[in-house]
Amino acid sequence: ELKVEQNPLFLSMQEGKNYTIYCNYSTTSDRLYWYRQDPGKSLESLFVLLSNGAVKQEGRLMASLDTKARLSTLHITAAVHDLSATYFCAVDGWIGETSGSRLTFGEGTQLTVNP
Amino acid sequence: NAGVMQNPRHLVRRRGQEARLRCSPMKGHSHVYWYRQLPEEGLKFMVYLQKENIIDESGMPKERFSAEFPKEGPSILRIQQVVRGDSAAYFCASSPQLAGVEQYFGPGTRLTVT
Repeated sequence: ELKVEQNPLFLSMQEGKNYTIYCNYSTTSDRLYWYRQDPGKSLESLFVLLSNGAVKQEGRLMASLDTKARLSTLHITAAVHDLSATYFCAVDGWIGETSGSRLTFGEGTQLTVNP
Repeated sequence: NAGVMQNPRHLVRRRGQEARLRCSPMKGHSHVYWYRQLPEEGLKFMVYLQKENIIDESGMPKERFSAEFPKEGPSILRIQQVVRGDSAAYFCASSPQLAGVEQYFGPGTRLTVT
């Protein structure tokens, strides 16, 4: 069974600081997703990482994927208050054409950026 | 191109009633997934459907829950005889015909059982 673990689960940081959220997963997968969720809202897709060594950046967020280590990171640079949200990683446990995909999510990292 | 649509957005049911949640996938998408998010938790896979077929229901509770995706119309997640523990946000996602690509999430239905 695919397991996905995120840490930390809670992160409180000051504006302007840098930090990294980690996502470990237990079985081989080449597809990993990062989502943002604001309270009471749906999931907003942030990054889709499709191969080993993939690195993507959008604004103050950068995500990377190491499939050999089964690890993805979400790095936050010079945090601002607007980044406060819960961040989820999700791994695609695609079995095959006949079984399709199912996403296994981490527990989420609740990020609070304090002014 | 409209996104994934779910309705209702909020649903309140008393214990023992039935809940019906609807999901219309994005245009051109024939794969639908249902996920449940309990308070303060991540999303958990429930079921994966294609038109008129349930492909993977390994995440569905054994009793009271069922799902369908008919040839015409939206996908339906049905919960019979709801209990307080069913209170959660239920998200639908869809993807194009080729499996193994990104899923697009709807706004969710927040079910409250009183």
